[in-house]
Amino acid sequence: DTGVSQDPRHKITKRGQNVTFRCDPISEHNRLYWYRQTLGQGPEFLTYFQNEAQLEKSRLLSDRFSAERPKGSFSTLEIQRTEQGDSAMYLCASSLGQGARAGELFFGEGSRLTVL
Amino acid sequence: DAKTTQPPSMDCAEGRAANLPCNHSTISGNEYVYWYRQIHSQGPQYIIHGLKNNETNEMASLIITEDRKSSTLILPHATLRDTAVYYCIVTHTGGGNKLTFGTGTQLKVEL
Repeated sequence: DTGVSQDPRHKITKRGQNVTFRCDPISEHNRLYWYRQTLGQGPEFLTYFQNEAQLEKSRLLSDRFSAERPKGSFSTLEIQRTEQGDSAMYLCASSLGQGARAGELFFGEGSRLTVL
Repeated sequence: DAKTTQPPSMDCAEGRAANLPCNHSTISGNEYVYWYRQIHSQGPQYIIHGLKNNETNEMASLIITEDRKSSTLILPHATLRDTAVYYCIVTHTGGGNKLTFGTGTQLKVEL
């Protein structure tokens, strides 16, 4: 399967612990996005990368959140000192980022975080 | 990006056409209309997009009004597998293409 893959699919953690999610985008895609989705809401943009450069971060991305894409391939999203309000589905997407289909994002299945 | 308005829910009989409306009255000239859908517990899936002209692909048709202030996504022969939340998104191709999702329309296809 050559789609966007995310790991782990589910994570249960205790408040105060750190968690890290990994995203492997479609190989030729140079843009990578992170979104967060809570129950009953649409996905909310967190951040995006053009190759290894992080070009934009949402105000939703507090200091406890950090994202990296060190070699312009896979990306990690780390949440430090988790809070119950961090419980959500974390979605990764990738795209070619150019041309008429620049807005065609390919999403992974998501990583569901539950903070107890 | 322009704001969109969609009905919260719609029902459709299997085999019939599903017509999902979207209002985007503040759309600007360089903004595209994108449609995505999200089946329960899955990531969103791209369906179709357009700028001015009507578009059709293997999944759906997109009808954009002449003044571009509204659009309709048409699923010509809805099946039970089309039950999902459908998102209408307006965005320009600059600015990173970070899509801004609203709450969408929950389409329920029934027998």
